[in-house]
Amino acid sequence: GDSVTQMEGPVTLSEEAFLTINCTYTATGYPSLFWYVQYPGEGLQLLLKATKADDKGSNKGFEATYRKETTSFHLEKGSVQVSDSAVYFCALSDSSGTYKYIFGTGTRLKVLA
Amino acid sequence: KAGVTQTPRYLIKTRGQQVTLSCSPISGHRSVSWYQQTPGQGLQFLFEYFSETQRNKGNFPGRFSGRQFSNSRSEMNVSTLELGDSALYLCASSLIPRTGPTYEQYFGPGTRLTVT
Repeated sequence: GDSVTQMEGPVTLSEEAFLTINCTYTATGYPSLFWYVQYPGEGLQLLLKATKADDKGSNKGFEATYRKETTSFHLEKGSVQVSDSAVYFCALSDSSGTYKYIFGTGTRLKVLA
Repeated sequence: KAGVTQTPRYLIKTRGQQVTLSCSPISGHRSVSWYQQTPGQGLQFLFEYFSETQRNKGNFPGRFSGRQFSNSRSEMNVSTLELGDSALYLCASSLIPRTGPTYEQYFGPGTRLTVT
């Protein structure tokens, strides 16, 4: 079945460092891909999305490109801030007919001042 | 526009009891999904409702059930609570039925259930 694999965390960075959180997926067909962020004590917020190959989603300085050839959707940010500390989830919405969301296990990011 | 609201935010129950959680979707959203989030298992899909009908179901025992009302509000019920049911229960709503794989889900803050 469809699945999403994220890099293990926690990822600890200094402020203004470059961020990459890896995400790869397994899916039949052409899923849509998403990054969600969860701040402490809150639900998930949609960060960005991409719906087809080579699409780039971007929001708040974060970017991710839908790479069908490598089945990847890595999250990047050029300069992280302390306020970016959160848990990041990669997800896909399958296209097999059920359109269920499948989430990765989440990657905790800690940004130190 | 108000976001997804979930009540209560926190709940403490004892083993064997039952619990009902409530979710009010964003106005106009007709699809509501429920997820269980635990440190060990991550986010696991419970079920999804659209127009008062369950459209999808995850791999959870029958103790977990849900329903949706005509105003799109949804409730989930867990009977005969077990210690392992302690989790954050998240509700998500989306605007359109699945006409394609591009719909976005908007999450509520969750209900933290602790079973003792």
